[in-house]
Amino acid sequence: NAGVTQTPKFQVLKTGQSMTLQCAQDMNHNSMYWYRQDPGMGLRLIYYSASEGTTDKGEVPNGYNVSRLNKREFSLRLESAAPSQTSVYFCASTIYRTSPLNIQYFGAGTRLSVL
Amino acid sequence: AQTVTQSQPEMSVQEAETVTLSCTYDTSESDYYLFWYKQPPSRQMILVIRQEAYKQQNATENRFSVNFQKAAKSFSLKISDSQLGDAAMYFCAQSEGAQKLVFGQGTRLTINP
Repeated sequence: NAGVTQTPKFQVLKTGQSMTLQCAQDMNHNSMYWYRQDPGMGLRLIYYSASEGTTDKGEVPNGYNVSRLNKREFSLRLESAAPSQTSVYFCASTIYRTSPLNIQYFGAGTRLSVL
Repeated sequence: AQTVTQSQPEMSVQEAETVTLSCTYDTSESDYYLFWYKQPPSRQMILVIRQEAYKQQNATENRFSVNFQKAAKSFSLKISDSQLGDAAMYFCAQSEGAQKLVFGQGTRLTINP
């Protein structure tokens, strides 16, 4: 059982380049999330998708776009990468039915460096 | 807006001893949820323990327990009988609706053999 799978694990970009981070979950979860983690800080929410077909901004959405491709997949796109977007990116998912106490399962993270 | 504060950037404890990690939060909601996550060097985020704000009883998971003080907006994590495998970054987090998590800055826990 793979859980939450993120690709790639590492990426180096030049300023201005674009790329898409992929996330897929095989747990039939309906809610998915993208977070970023900067050195010495906790995770901050970029975007989330409460259910298939919906997406909403989180705390730090500027410079990013997302697509909830289907129930399994939620991608994060950087259209024009900037050095400030150097970070570790985490995807997470949860079933979020009647109780929001359901566990969020996290992927292993993508370490992105923008030069 | 939600905020979560962890005032201890680093903590250390002797193996087999007990350590308490502090967390305070701020929210205007009456219904919310609190979590402690562990992040070992592998970077994987692992849920340690969770607490519903409307429950008075403190949550316990084996060697991990919390001290939830709702009026003081405090949510500390106690680790008993510390083990070398407990060494990690620990993050306190709070959620309100759609389970959007807000994290604290983290506490790096070192276990001394």
